Formats: sequence, structure tokens, C-alpha cells
Amino acid sequence: AQRVTQPEKLLSVFKGAPVELKCNYSYSGSPELFWYVQYSRQRLQLLLRHISRESIKGFTADLNKGETSFHLKKPFAQEEDSAMYYCALSPDSNYQLIWGAGTKLIIKP
Amino acid sequence: DVKVTQSSRYLVKRTGEKVFLECVQDMDHENMFWYRQDPGLGLRLIYFSYDVKMKEKGDIPEGYSVSREKKERFSLILESASTNQTSMYLCASSSGTGVHEQYFGPGTRLTVT
Repeated sequence: AQRVTQPEKLLSVFKGAPVELKCNYSYSGSPELFWYVQYSRQRLQLLLRHISRESIKGFTADLNKGETSFHLKKPFAQEEDSAMYYCALSPDSNYQLIWGAGTKLIIKP
Repeated sequence: DVKVTQSSRYLVKRTGEKVFLECVQDMDHENMFWYRQDPGLGLRLIYFSYDVKMKEKGDIPEGYSVSREKKERFSLILESASTNQTSMYLCASSSGTGVHEQYFGPGTRLTVT
């Protein structure tokens, strides 16, 4: 079955500390993977996608097909990173997205 | 810049009322989606549409229906609202080709009393 798992509902770290939000997926094909972010009182928006291999707001995510993971990382957390983060998977040739349950990230000052 | 708008930011309805939530996108996207967002459950797909007058059930279609008469507009209908439909409703759209990125509206917080 196709599934995206975010094992942490809540992650709290201090400002300046490294951040890693975990995402594991279950899918046999070649998925397209995304991280979306929702800041307080703002709409859900794309943070980054694995095919772009880019760094957005200091965040990076590497697709590890062996471990079927797509963890989101940032070396030094900032208070403005506090938000809800969702990992999502797009199966081959399919415009739907399969969503993880989300992780609430809180950056403590 | 893609714009997805939703008709209401907050809505309070009584049990048994018929509720209409409307979504409009201005990017000529083929695909449109309705989700509900609940804490701890993430986003759950209610219905989606890949073309005008076409609709497909998502994971939780019970108690909902949809209408897509025009490409830019996708409506979610709660035929008889119930308290367990109190939630945040998100509309999204995406292109029918290429990257599958979805663009979201601001959401409608619906409370059914």
C-alpha cells in the first residue's frame, strides 16, 4: 500500500540547533516527493521537491531509496521555522498526493 | 502567481443545514481537490476533479458531494451538515501535466453546531 509516515507529531528544538523532520514512504515505483509547510495563519505551500535538489530557507531533503526516506534537514533552526510540515508523495503518472500526518515544529528561543 | 481562493474563511452552520464551500483558481489548472485537515490526521482527500464535470471520490467522500461546472470553480457540498464535519477545509489545484505540485487556498474553518 502507498503510505507516507511522519513518526513525530511534534518536534521541539532550540534556536540554532539542527533540525531533522523524518519522512518515510511505502511505494514500489519511482515516487515524486515533496515537503509542504504551513506557517501560522497562512496557506499550505510547497517548501521543496526532491527532483529540484534545491535548498529553500536553508532546508534540504535527500531521497534515500534504499531506506525509503525523505527527511527534511536544516543545520541551524530559526524561530521563523516554527510551522506545520507535511511530507507528500506523488505516485507515477498520478496527479494525486499521498500525505503524511504532519509534524509540528516548534523552535524555542 | 497562482491564486486559489475560497469563498469563506470562517463559517458556522447548524446541524442538518446544507453547506456550500466554493473554490476558484485562476491558473487554468485541470485538477482540483478538496481536503479536510484535522490535527493528527493530516490532509484527507474528500473529492477531486481532473476535468470539467468529472469527479472522483477520495478517501472520505461520505456526507459530501462536489460540483465542477466550470474549469476554474470547484464546489464542495455538505448535504446535511453534522458535528463531525467540523473541520478545516482546504481546496487545491494542480496542472494536468508536468510537475504534480498542488497550490492551496487559505482554507475554510467550518464549525457545525
